[in-house]
Amino acid sequence: DAEITQSPRHKITETGRQVTLACHQTWNHNNMFWYRQDLGHGLRLIHYSYGVHDTNKGEVSDGYSVSRSNTEDLPLTLESAASSQTSVYFCASGRGQGGEKLFFGSGTQLSVL
Amino acid sequence: ELKVEQNPLFLSMQEGKNYTIYCNYSTTSDRLYWYRQDPGKSLESLFVLLSNGAVKQEGRLMASLDTKARLSTLHITAAVHDLSATYFCAVEGGATNKLIFGTGTLLAVQP
Repeated sequence: DAEITQSPRHKITETGRQVTLACHQTWNHNNMFWYRQDLGHGLRLIHYSYGVHDTNKGEVSDGYSVSRSNTEDLPLTLESAASSQTSVYFCASGRGQGGEKLFFGSGTQLSVL
Repeated sequence: ELKVEQNPLFLSMQEGKNYTIYCNYSTTSDRLYWYRQDPGKSLESLFVLLSNGAVKQEGRLMASLDTKARLSTLHITAAVHDLSATYFCAVEGGATNKLIFGTGTLLAVQP
């Protein structure tokens, strides 16, 4: 069955380190998204991509970057982790048709100490 | 900039009661989504509403959309404990599949 997987499920890192969170989908979806979830804020969009080599900034993109070298993967990199980036991160994908739901991964719990 | 607001943020209900969660958004859109999230889990799609007056129902949950009022409601009928979860609305704004989420409503159904 097609799916969307995130890794790792849990990550602890130190302030200032570079961290990369992986997202892999097997639906062959064009559109992929990264969100962070924080209490009182719901889910906020970090970056998104509409296809290979396409990336766009979301609401809270400062301190994060993404790259899309193939259809299946959209890794999220924290260039220099900060305590404010402690959060739960969700990756999502969609076919590219408006009006269709997104499929979400299981999330990565990131703690920056 | 598209803003999505939900209320209430927290809802404690007794089993068997009815209640409504409200979702307001700030700019024109006719695509609205409801998701459910269980504690520690991912998001599960509940409803996709694509036009003014759209109504969708699944079990004890019914969602509706009024695009003129920029309002969607999620109505819970005769709540049961299994409905305890966080419910999010999201609006597709500005670009395909680009969802802007509300803050979520934590629903706790008490026996």
